[in-house]
Amino acid sequence: KNQVEQSPQSLIILEGKNCTLQCNYTVSPFSNLRWYKQDTGRGPVSLTIMTFSENTKSNGRYTATLDADTKQSSLHITASQLSDSASYICVVRGSMEYGNKLVFGAGTILRVKS
Amino acid sequence: EPEVTQTPSHQVTQMGQEVILRCVPISNHLYFYWYRQILGQKVEFLVSFYNNEISEKSEIFDDQFSVERPDGSNFTLKIRSTKLEDSAMYFCAGGMNGMAGELFFGEGSRLTVL
Repeated sequence: KNQVEQSPQSLIILEGKNCTLQCNYTVSPFSNLRWYKQDTGRGPVSLTIMTFSENTKSNGRYTATLDADTKQSSLHITASQLSDSASYICVVRGSMEYGNKLVFGAGTILRVKS
Repeated sequence: EPEVTQTPSHQVTQMGQEVILRCVPISNHLYFYWYRQILGQKVEFLVSFYNNEISEKSEIFDDQFSVERPDGSNFTLKIRSTKLEDSAMYFCAGGMNGMAGELFFGEGSRLTVL
């Protein structure tokens, strides 16, 4: 059972364009949701962490939203750059029921073309 | 900026051999983790370590795996007798506040078992 589902699986956009990546989760109750950027062959790098009480959080050109009622989150990237090409991973921290672990989504592979 | 350092970056080994992967976490971190990512798949939790002992481990982390922090700085993952399916990228991560806070990942060690 996939507890964190991301869509689309992959996405190609032109440099300068905006895009939105989606994350739906079933982990409940949860305490926080994170978005990570992972370049090919590298470790994940944190973009945002949101608790259940936060609706939106920005980090430069990255804006994450969270709707804890519908268990959905999105990551919006504004004015994309070639360096934004990476996998974007949604990660949910579960409660003790999930062993207090981070549950990773499969990621959305974003490719920004010039 | 301090970072998590992992060695080796890539190790090739024969099936049945022992492998030790090393990590130097950020010095003021208290919580440490190992994750793995099989090529093309999700990041998976292996084990968490706090106060010099394992606090949690996944089903993947069987008795072929062990972790230790022998000298208060290095954090190692040992695989006693490697199997083909152990081929993956292994990430060390650390943080100040466990799952409540930011996690900082290393660049990973790629293990190839032949």
